[in-house]
Amino acid sequence: NAGVTQTPKFQVLKTGQSMTLQCAQDMNHNSMYWYRQDPGMGLRLIYYSASEGTTDKGEVPNGYNVSRLNKREFSLRLESAAPSQTSVYFCASSESASGQYFGPGTRLTVT
Amino acid sequence: QKEVEQNSGPLSVPEGAIASLNCTYSDRGSQSFFWYRQYSGKSPELIMFIYSNGDKEDGRFTAQLNKASQYVSLLIRDSQPSDSATYLCAVNRGPHGNQFYFGTGTSLTVIP
Repeated sequence: NAGVTQTPKFQVLKTGQSMTLQCAQDMNHNSMYWYRQDPGMGLRLIYYSASEGTTDKGEVPNGYNVSRLNKREFSLRLESAAPSQTSVYFCASSESASGQYFGPGTRLTVT
Repeated sequence: QKEVEQNSGPLSVPEGAIASLNCTYSDRGSQSFFWYRQYSGKSPELIMFIYSNGDKEDGRFTAQLNKASQYVSLLIRDSQPSDSATYLCAVNRGPHGNQFYFGTGTSLTVIP
């Protein structure tokens, strides 16, 4: 069981470039999430998907789009990267109220 | 008012002591309460959750919940240097319990 996997682990983008962060889970969880974590700000929810076929905005959705490709996979897309999107991005999954399981994270720098 | 508040610390305790980490939450509709440990440069790791008033013990960890006071705590007994990390408190609510809210974390250092 790999749990939650994310790719890539590190990425450097120039302002205006686009990229997609990939996330997959093998725990058969219904819900998946994308967070960003910045120093002093804690984890902030970008988007979540309560189940396959649904997505909802979180606290900081501007500048991002998501796709719940199937039950296993949930991707996050930055269409036009900005320096303010420099952060560590975590994907997580959960089943009901049992808590979330996090992937290893993607460290993104936008110059 | 923040959904979940934690003292950011840093909290320092000597090895073998009890570390006490505290968290308050604002919404009485919160259903379950979670503690995560996050080592520097790593992702959060779920260590405990509690949903009923009282104490829940798991090895050296005890979670305590007081819904009337909207307060949840984590006690770490016999603290070890390997417990040095940031501890995140989280709550959940929503019709399916899949809306999670996190505090900003408390940094704990266990001094050998």
